[in-house]
Amino acid sequence: AQSVTQLDSQVPVFEEAPVELRCNYSSSVSVYLFWYVQYPNQGLQLLLKYLSGSTLVESINGFEAEFNKSQTSFHLRKPSVHISDTAEYFCAVTPVSGTYKYIFGTGTRLKVLA
Amino acid sequence: GAVVSQHPSWVICKSGTSVKIECRSLDFQATTMFWYRQFPKQSLMLMATSNEGSKATYEQGVEKDKFLINHASLTLSTLTVTSAHPEDSSFYICSARDSGGKSYEQYFGPGTRLTVT
Repeated sequence: AQSVTQLDSQVPVFEEAPVELRCNYSSSVSVYLFWYVQYPNQGLQLLLKYLSGSTLVESINGFEAEFNKSQTSFHLRKPSVHISDTAEYFCAVTPVSGTYKYIFGTGTRLKVLA
Repeated sequence: GAVVSQHPSWVICKSGTSVKIECRSLDFQATTMFWYRQFPKQSLMLMATSNEGSKATYEQGVEKDKFLINHASLTLSTLTVTSAHPEDSSFYICSARDSGGKSYEQYFGPGTRLTVT
């Protein structure tokens, strides 16, 4: 079985400041890892994913995440946030082979302050 | 590409009535779709896995007689909330797995907000 932990339920940060949203996972099998963003009253949008290869993955809007196998982490970072980044961010994993089910963390609400 | 739609986007119904929510994959075929439920400010909880042409697989604790799932075609899955009660009010999100794509990829619909009065 897999589990995902997002320790920070809310993260307030000032505009143009850096931010890190933490994600740790537990799994007895290899997993793929994802970050999704959810704006109010909307569905989930894929932000970035780690499948294999380079442990640092980047999105087109400036976010990046680094897979750390030894620490079982996949933290999300952005060097300079914008007001428009205010949203809920979910970390998720799915087994490399098997059920195709996604297991989501509890989410982190990022609030960017002016 | 890879667009998933849901209909309706929001619905209000009276207690005791049934509500049907549709999930469609618009530009790909999906043998497998998933239904999630999200309470306010909480994460997504997987309710069931919907497989085209066969019975859905429900997660532990989800009442299959209350949440009826039908996956009659490769592009459509429906979730019917039967005899809805106020505690069924929630945000329901579906996702679809592209049958011809990579195994790990799921594409999420925009969600349906159900309010039971």
